[in-house]
Amino acid sequence: EAQVTQNPRYLITVTGKKLTVTCSQNMNHEYMSWYRQDPGLGLRQIYYSMNVEVTDKGDVPEGYKVSRKEKRNFPLILESPSPNQTSLYFCASSPLGQNTEAFFGQGTRLTVV
Amino acid sequence: GQSLEQPSEVTAVEGAIVQINCTYQTSGFYGLSWYQQHDGGAPTFLSYNALDGLEETGRFSSFLSRSDSYGYLLLQELQMKDSASYFCALDTGGFKTIFGAGTRLFVKA
Repeated sequence: EAQVTQNPRYLITVTGKKLTVTCSQNMNHEYMSWYRQDPGLGLRQIYYSMNVEVTDKGDVPEGYKVSRKEKRNFPLILESPSPNQTSLYFCASSPLGQNTEAFFGQGTRLTVV
Repeated sequence: GQSLEQPSEVTAVEGAIVQINCTYQTSGFYGLSWYQQHDGGAPTFLSYNALDGLEETGRFSSFLSRSDSYGYLLLQELQMKDSASYFCALDTGGFKTIFGAGTRLFVKA
């Protein structure tokens, strides 16, 4: 089954404790992306990657890091989480090109206290 | 900059037709997408308009007018299961995607 898998689904952590949210896709997609979703703000793009070892900033990259060492994986790293990073996070993947459907993971609800 | 505006909420009756509008500001883009998201779920792709005009996919249709900086999603024969949030999104062509804040659709019996 074609899917994007995120882990964990839920996470409560404390300020400053480094964490990683994993994302893996099994569709051999070149393009992967991370979004955060906050009430009234829709989905905002954090980082994206066009292929292995190629990443770039989205609209809200501050406080986040990513890596793309393998095509299927695109982890999101919060080196020193802060309460304003409490949010619902989605990973998505798609083939490169126009008119392509993005496939989203089930989301990770992160709370930073 | 680039931005999209959608109504925050729309309410309609089961069996009716509803239109969710999306206006945008951008210097250039490749296309406009629509996504559906049920509470607690992930966004799922509905449609993509690269060219002006209407794209039809079953009960859902999407429209784009580049000259008016405007698009809409049309849902026909509304069902209770269509109650969800709907997002329009700009494909900027630079690998960035800009989403609107979403429209919450309530379908009443």
